[in-house]
Amino acid sequence: DVKVTQSSRYLVKRTGEKVFLECVQDMDHENMFWYRQDPGLGLRLIYFSYDVKMKEKGDIPEGYSVSREKKERFSLILESASTNQTSMYLCASRGALGFRSAEQYFGPGTRLTVT
Amino acid sequence: DAKTTQPNSMESNEEEPVHLPCNHSTISGTDYIHWYRQLPSQGPEYVIHGLTSNVNNRMASLAIAEDRKSSTLILHRATLRDAAVYYCILRDQNSGGSNYKLTFGKGTLLTVNP
Repeated sequence: DVKVTQSSRYLVKRTGEKVFLECVQDMDHENMFWYRQDPGLGLRLIYFSYDVKMKEKGDIPEGYSVSREKKERFSLILESASTNQTSMYLCASRGALGFRSAEQYFGPGTRLTVT
Repeated sequence: DAKTTQPNSMESNEEEPVHLPCNHSTISGTDYIHWYRQLPSQGPEYVIHGLTSNVNNRMASLAIAEDRKSSTLILHRATLRDAAVYYCILRDQNSGGSNYKLTFGKGTLLTVNP
């Protein structure tokens, strides 16, 4: 079974702190994603990576950056956390394009609270 | 991605079949129909996907209308563990880059009664 793990389930940080959210997948997937999920807004894509050191902005990249130094690991960085970044953060991965690898595998999520 | 419409909520009894509908009248020829579900306090989980023909897997069945403008996710015997929000999503399988993203709507909240 594919496993996507996230470094923390719950995190509380102060405004202005630098925050690192880590995601690791064990299926050698090329593509990895960071989403955030908020009530009434659904899942929104923050950043996407299709290969090591490659990244693309999603729909809401402002205030975030990412790092992908190794294929299995994709990190989301909040340079200076703000209260409007309080959210559930979900990491996902998927294989290369093709019918059999269509599904995205999600991690359990990190609920981040910025005070 | 084309839009989907699902009921906000549905209720079922344990061990009975559940039919979760999804309308997607603007679906294009290259759009696959995906279903995901999200259990409480967990990340979304892939359920099934298909293009034109009905599909079965160990979790569910997917029935796709002949004109592809609607589909139904079928859980053959609901259990309490199936209580979740179910999302119907259209994806153009030929698109790449950040179009790999999944656009989740509000989904259907399924309640399973014991």
